[in-house]
Amino acid sequence: GNSVTQMEGPVTLSEEAFLTINCTYTATGYPSLFWYVQYPGEGLQLLLKATKADDKGSNKGFEATYRKETTSFHLEKGSVQVSDSAVYFCARGGRGYQKVTFGTGTKLQVIP
Amino acid sequence: EAQVTQNPRYLITVTGKKLTVTCSQNMNHEYMSWYRQDPGLGLRQIYYSMNVEVTDKGDVPEGYKVSRKEKRNFPLILESPSPNQTSLYFCASSPPTSGGGRNEQFFGPGTRLTVL
Repeated sequence: GNSVTQMEGPVTLSEEAFLTINCTYTATGYPSLFWYVQYPGEGLQLLLKATKADDKGSNKGFEATYRKETTSFHLEKGSVQVSDSAVYFCARGGRGYQKVTFGTGTKLQVIP
Repeated sequence: EAQVTQNPRYLITVTGKKLTVTCSQNMNHEYMSWYRQDPGLGLRQIYYSMNVEVTDKGDVPEGYKVSRKEKRNFPLILESPSPNQTSLYFCASSPPTSGGGRNEQFFGPGTRLTVL
């Protein structure tokens, strides 16, 4: 079945450091890909998305590029802030256009 | 304000005592879903609904029931809760594909359930 694999956390970075969180997905079909963010005590919210190969999703300084050849959708940010501390989930769409499969989440902690 | 609401936000109960967690969305979304979030396991889908009176099992449906009598509401029912159902539960809804929101989901704030 469909699956998403993302790097385990927690990831601890100093403020203004460069962030990469790796994500790979199973290649069945042509899924939409997503990054969701969960701030402490809150539900998940969509951070960015890409719907086809070579698309780049971006939001709040975060970026991810849909790489079909490597089945990857790595999340990057050039300079993280303390306010970016959260859990980040990679996800892929599936059949029936509504089914979504989530990765296990990566906790990011940014220290001043 | 467009949102997904869940109630209660926190619940402590005992084994075997039936409970219902409500979920409501005001965005006229057809698709709704329930997930549970557990450490190291991420989000796992329990049940989903494509429309009124249309529901189907997700990846971990055992011990849960759902109903979809109205478009806006999608309650999660635990007929006889057990300690292994202690978890953080999220309801989500998704817009129609014609709106360009393919697979994008809107989440409620979560319900933390403890079964003793």
